Amino acid sequence: GEDVEQSLFLSVREGDSSVINCTYTDSSSTYLYWYKQEPGAGLQLLTYIFSNMDMKQDQRLTVLLNKKDKHLSLRIADTQTGDSAIYFCAEKAGGYQKVTFGTGTKLQVIP
Amino acid sequence: EAEVAQSPRYKITEKSQAVAFWCDPISGHATLYWYRQILGQGPELLVQFQDESVVDDSQLPKDRFSAERLKGVDSTLKIQPAELGDSAMYLCASSSTLRGMETQYFGPGTRLLVL
Repeated sequence: GEDVEQSLFLSVREGDSSVINCTYTDSSSTYLYWYKQEPGAGLQLLTYIFSNMDMKQDQRLTVLLNKKDKHLSLRIADTQTGDSAIYFCAEKAGGYQKVTFGTGTKLQVIP
Repeated sequence: EAEVAQSPRYKITEKSQAVAFWCDPISGHATLYWYRQILGQGPELLVQFQDESVVDDSQLPKDRFSAERLKGVDSTLKIQPAELGDSAMYLCASSSTLRGMETQYFGPGTRLLVL
């Protein structure tokens, strides 16, 4: 079955880059996503990458995909205090194209 | 900008009581999802609808949970009877497909506390 893992916590200083990592197990993934969740709120889609790509850049966000190692990362350049949130990676895979979420990484940005 | 609506935002109930959550997806979105998010974890899919039909309910505890989307628009998720372990955030999402890419949009969630 699908399994998506993330480290639980990351702390960075304002202005530095943040890198959030994710590993997944299902090699039939079609899409991989990054979502942001602020306290008490639903999930907001930040970006996604097709499984046949290895990199995608969207303003301050850079997604890197290593399909061989089943490793996904999200880099946030010039991290701001407003970036403090929980970040979830998710993969879409399987017959029903079900989306499986990781456990989330809490990003703390120190002013 | 269109949003997924959910109500109530918060619900406190006693165990063995019945609770119901409502979701109104973005207009025109045929696919609707209910997720459960336990504190400190990622969302877990409970049920997926395509229009009024259930596509996947393999993770729905059917002895106490039910979901319906009678007219293929809004949806209700019910728990009867509620148990202490049901305390969680219940998220609804709807999706559209644009240029072959499906994007899920999430509502604000209903936070359930069972006492």
